[in-house]
Amino acid sequence: AQTVTQSQPEMSVQEAETVTLSCTYDTSESDYYLFWYKQPPSRQMILVIRQEAYKQQNATENRFSVNFQKAAKSFSLKISDSQLGDAAMYFCAYRSGISGGGADGLTFGKGTHLIIQP
Amino acid sequence: DSGVTQTPKHLITATGQRVTLRCSPRSGDLSVYWYQQSLDQGLQFLIQYYNGEERAKGNILERFSAQQFPDLHSELNLSSLELGDSALYFCASSGTSRQETQYFGPGTRLLVL
Repeated sequence: AQTVTQSQPEMSVQEAETVTLSCTYDTSESDYYLFWYKQPPSRQMILVIRQEAYKQQNATENRFSVNFQKAAKSFSLKISDSQLGDAAMYFCAYRSGISGGGADGLTFGKGTHLIIQP
Repeated sequence: DSGVTQTPKHLITATGQRVTLRCSPRSGDLSVYWYQQSLDQGLQFLIQYYNGEERAKGNILERFSAQQFPDLHSELNLSSLELGDSALYFCASSGTSRQETQYFGPGTRLLVL
């Protein structure tokens, strides 16, 4: 079974600074997808960014970018120019590229609570 | 707004009771997923339906069941409720391709007393 580990329960960053959230995963598969979801106090799960394992290029969405290291099974999220609205729980998630047998469900890490200091 | 709707937003019930949570996927999405978020277990995948049929099972208890109807809305039935079933239950949906991202609804917060 795949596992996702987020080793930082909580991170704090000054507004306008850059912060990196860590995520590692364990899998024997070569085809998979990785995601970062944000959960603000409203509890809504919001997609931040996704990465396909077959793509070597790191995904970027505005101020959010990832550092995907397939060999190291690492998938970190970098938030540039942090804003107060970025304060939330951030979850790293894995989805298998193989169909069937529970493979379509997301496997989540335990989350990192990001605090933005004004 | 993800386009996925869930009702009710909150539910308070007693141990031993049965409840039904409802989810309507985004327009055009055929897949519906159910997840449970609790303090103890974190976010866990429960079950997936695709176009009316069960596609994948995760850590779903035997006391829990789900179905997807012809109009593609889905219901998650929780029976013989225990205190430990108190959690936030999310529904997510995605399109026909396995590459597509799952978009989450706002969740139903269940409190079992």
